[in-house]
Amino acid sequence: GAVVSQHPSRVICKSGTSVKIECRSLDFQATTMFWYRQFPKQSLMLMATSNEGSKATYEQGVEKDKFLINHASLTLSTLTVTSAHPEDSSFYICSAEFGGFDSNQPQHFGDGTRLSIL
Amino acid sequence: AQTVTQSQPEMSVQEAETVTLSCTYDTSESDYYLFWYKQPPSRQMILVIRQEAYKQQNATENRFSVNFQKAAKSFSLKISDSQLGDAAMYFCAYRRANAGGTSYGKLTFGQGTILTVHP
Repeated sequence: GAVVSQHPSRVICKSGTSVKIECRSLDFQATTMFWYRQFPKQSLMLMATSNEGSKATYEQGVEKDKFLINHASLTLSTLTVTSAHPEDSSFYICSAEFGGFDSNQPQHFGDGTRLSIL
Repeated sequence: AQTVTQSQPEMSVQEAETVTLSCTYDTSESDYYLFWYKQPPSRQMILVIRQEAYKQQNATENRFSVNFQKAAKSFSLKISDSQLGDAAMYFCAYRRANAGGTSYGKLTFGQGTILTVHP
């Protein structure tokens, strides 16, 4: 079964509203979670890395004030798209990994959220 | 910075045949991990196979195998006995082996290859 739950799977909302996406690790404590953005038939672009209890690290070119990331517990990270506009429409995917030093552990991905801004 | 390149935007194969997807990467590190992920139309990311750079033996998982050429920085995926369910977008990915700053665990993905399987 899924080890990372991402919710909602689909969001349609009006321009100017804020949208929150949740990413939960179900069977393990995730010290690090990642947020990706993907356009159709393109690769995953890392937006930010979030660590529990600290500020997220954003990739170059990603607006921190537009994409707010909170990692309040070891099982939950949220991405809030603030004042969303049509250009923010995309597929957003989270992933989570175990803590520890075993970097052979793959990241566990959520099923993604398709965001459509009208 | 590490880069991953998949030079085949699209590939096709007949059912039951074999297909090879190419991937090259660039890194200055000697220890790292490489992965192949499959993303079917459902868009779920599925780990297909992984390779530790310090291992010379090529990884295999049932019908999936890799050809890892460390000196050439090449990491191709071979799918044998292709099935209709193999149709998907395939991504090659790189990850550092050692923790380092904020990039520990970060995956760098290639552009992806769309694989079509013909019946």
